[in-house]
Parts: sequence; structure tokens; C-alpha cells
Amino acid sequence: DGGITQSPKYLFRKEGQNVTLSCEQNLNHDAMYWYRQDPGQGLRLIYYSQIVNDFQKGDIAEGYSVSREKKESFPLTVTSAQKNPTAFYLCASSIPGTRDTPNEQFFGPGTRLTVL
Amino acid sequence: DQQVKQNSPSLSVQEGRISILNCDYTNSMFDYFLWYKKYPAEGPTFLISISSIKDKNEDGRFTVFLNKSAKHLSLHIVPSQPGDSAVYFCAARRISNFGNEKLTFGTGTRLTIIP
Repeated sequence: DGGITQSPKYLFRKEGQNVTLSCEQNLNHDAMYWYRQDPGQGLRLIYYSQIVNDFQKGDIAEGYSVSREKKESFPLTVTSAQKNPTAFYLCASSIPGTRDTPNEQFFGPGTRLTVL
Repeated sequence: DQQVKQNSPSLSVQEGRISILNCDYTNSMFDYFLWYKKYPAEGPTFLISISSIKDKNEDGRFTVFLNKSAKHLSLHIVPSQPGDSAVYFCAARRISNFGNEKLTFGTGTRLTIIP
């Protein structure tokens, strides 16, 4: 079965600690994305990667870091510099779109991070 | 600056009737619009899309209409079924000068279908 897995589903951390969220896909997609969802807000893009060993900041990258050493994996680290880290984090992947077709993004089930 | 807006946070519709979800955008550079459906504690799933050069796209019970001059799109679901109860996100795509594509999402509308 192809898909995207995020683990764990729920994560608790103490304030001031860095935490890494896992995202793995076996869809053979080149592009991967990290979004954050807060109550009453849409999905906001944190980081994205169009290809292995390359990634770009999204709209709210401050306080986060990523790596893309393998095609299948795109871990997100929430650092202590992120002021409001408690949120629902979603990872997605896609085949890069073209001018004529949109990039249908496939999402994982999400990780709810709570910083105490 | 919210470039994609869904002004109705929630909508309740009787089963069997038509559900209409609305979305407005401000950026003329968006070239594709997508609708995603999300159940609680799950990731969104793609529903339907429309190119900015079209004004309608239909897929079964789902139809998306685009009014480019008004920068407005809507998703019609007919007939509405209880399984359609979910949060619906409108998203807009833009390709940057470097060829990177990004989706900008609206805030979502929670649709409840009343049996």
C-alpha cells in the first residue's frame, strides 16, 4: 500500500526542547511539504522540497528546520526558537505539477504537537 | 494577507439537498484551484480541481465553478450525503519564477449534512 506516514500521532514536549517530526512516503514523489494547521486557520506552508538535497522556506519557516537526504523522508524539527509550537502538523507529497496540471498533494494523517 | 478566503466557517445542509461552498481569492497569478476534504484527525484528501482558463469542472456529485472576473469559486455537492460532513479547504496554486509551485489554502468551511 502506497502512502504517507507521520509518527507519532500525538507528541508532547517540554518548552525549550527541540523535537523532530517524522514524515515518510513510498509514493516515489519528488516533492514534499510541511504545513501547520491552527484552529480557525488554513494550512500554512512551513517548508517544501522539490527534490532530494534541496528545500525552500515556506511562509512561516522561522523556528523550524528540515532536511531531505532521502527521497522518501522529510523530517521537520521544531526548535526552541519557535514561539508557538503547539499545533497540528501535516506532511504532504506530490509529483511536481506542470503548467497544465496541478500538483495534487497527498497528505499524511498528521502529528499533533503539544508543548507544555 | 489572506490571499484565499473562505468566509463561511460552517454550513449545515439537509441530506439530499445541494451544498454550496464558496471561496474568494485576491492573487491574479493563481493558475489552478483545488478543493480538499478533511475529516477530524486525518490529513486532507484531494477532491477536485479547476484550471483558471475554465469556468466549470464536474466529477460525479461534485462541480466546481470559477468566476475569474469576480475572483470567486464555488464547490457544489449534489445530492449531499452524510459522508460529506467534513471540513472543506479551497487551495490556489501559483508557480514562481523559479518554477517552484506552492499551494495557498483557505481557512476551511465545516460542512454538516443533517440526516
